[in-house]
Amino acid sequence: NAGVTQTPKFQVLKTGQSMTLQCAQDMNHEYMSWYRQDPGMGLRLIHYSVGAGITDQGEVPNGYNVSRSTTEDFPLRLLSAAPSQTSVYFCASSRGGGPQHFGDGTRLSIL
Amino acid sequence: AQTVTQSQPEMSVQEAETVTLSCTYDTSENNYYLFWYKQPPSRQMILVIRQEAYKQQNATENRFSVNFQKAAKSFSLKISDSQLGDTAMYFCAFRPYSGAGSYQLTFGKGTKLSVIP
Repeated sequence: NAGVTQTPKFQVLKTGQSMTLQCAQDMNHEYMSWYRQDPGMGLRLIHYSVGAGITDQGEVPNGYNVSRSTTEDFPLRLLSAAPSQTSVYFCASSRGGGPQHFGDGTRLSIL
Repeated sequence: AQTVTQSQPEMSVQEAETVTLSCTYDTSENNYYLFWYKQPPSRQMILVIRQEAYKQQNATENRFSVNFQKAAKSFSLKISDSQLGDTAMYFCAFRPYSGAGSYQLTFGKGTKLSVIP
């Protein structure tokens, strides 16, 4: 079992570039989510999905898109990167009311 | 909407001593879950302990225990016999038991704990 796998671990972008952060889980969890972690802010929910084909916005969704075509994958897309999106991004998954399993995070810097 | 407050940005404790991290929350929900997560310098988010609000008994996991006071909306974490490996950021988190927000975790801003040899 790999758990929750995030790629890449580090990325540097220029303002205006686009990219996709990948997240995959092999635990057959129906719930997946993306958080961002900024200094002094804790983790804040960006988008989440309660199953394939179903997504919804969290606390800080602006500038990000998601889709959920399979149970396993939940990519996060930045269409036009901005310096304010410099952060550490975490993907998490869970089954029902169970605890959330987190990936190792992606450190993203936007210049 | 729920809020989670951790009033201690930083704390330190001597190795082998006991330390308590504070967490308060605000919610109109009656049933919910509370969590403590540990984030060491490796950046992984590790679940330390979980408490269901409908259970009166405080959760315990080895050296980690909680003091859950539902009426006061307080959820503190006690670490006994502190070890160097306990050095980390600790986050308190809340999740409703049911409803539209039941999958979403709301986090506090964290407490940075340093264990001193």
